[in-house]
Amino acid sequence: EDKVVQSPLSLVVHEGDTVTLNCSYEVTNFRSLLWYKQEKKAPTFLFMLTSSGIEKKSGRLSSILDKKELFSILNITATQTGDSAIYLCASRYGNKLVFGAGTILRVKS
Amino acid sequence: GAVVSQHPSRVICKSGTSVKIECRSLDFQATTMFWYRQFPKKSLMLMATSNEGSKATYEQGVEKDKFLINHASLTLSTLTVTSAHPEDSSFYICSALYRTSGTPGANVLTFGAGSRLTVL
Repeated sequence: EDKVVQSPLSLVVHEGDTVTLNCSYEVTNFRSLLWYKQEKKAPTFLFMLTSSGIEKKSGRLSSILDKKELFSILNITATQTGDSAIYLCASRYGNKLVFGAGTILRVKS
Repeated sequence: GAVVSQHPSRVICKSGTSVKIECRSLDFQATTMFWYRQFPKKSLMLMATSNEGSKATYEQGVEKDKFLINHASLTLSTLTVTSAHPEDSSFYICSALYRTSGTPGANVLTFGAGSRLTVL
């Protein structure tokens, strides 16, 4: 059965801390791994990863994929209260996505 | 960029009534759209894949007679929750595949803002 497992399930940090969110996957016919940030409404796209070892960066966020070990990490440096959200990773096979349960991140001021 | 519009954003209905949720791709054509359901503090659960001009493909455990999906055009898919009951109360999100420009392009899943359904 295809599955995506995220850890930790929730995390509370202080502003300025660096966090690492984990995502492991077991998906047949894997195509890519995606990270989304979900605040009050629909998820917003962060990164799509298809190749191992190539870090993608956007401001304070970065992500990398390891296709051999079947996992990805999302790093957020110098966290801000606006980073508080649910972070979802999803593995794509064909045109479908399998989502992990998400990591609830809360950044305290 | 690609925009997916979902309407209504919030709906409250009585038990036994039917509710229709619309999902539109505003600036691109979407032959395939996806409908998800999200329970509080949980992940998105794929309900069905909506295909323009053909029947939707439902995931295991999703009642197709309960959740009617129609993909009438390349920019519109609808989800109708028939004879809604309180247990159908949830957050429903649609998404569509959008191919980014550039070489090579990439297929990115773009989400609507979601519809909060409350069945009394």
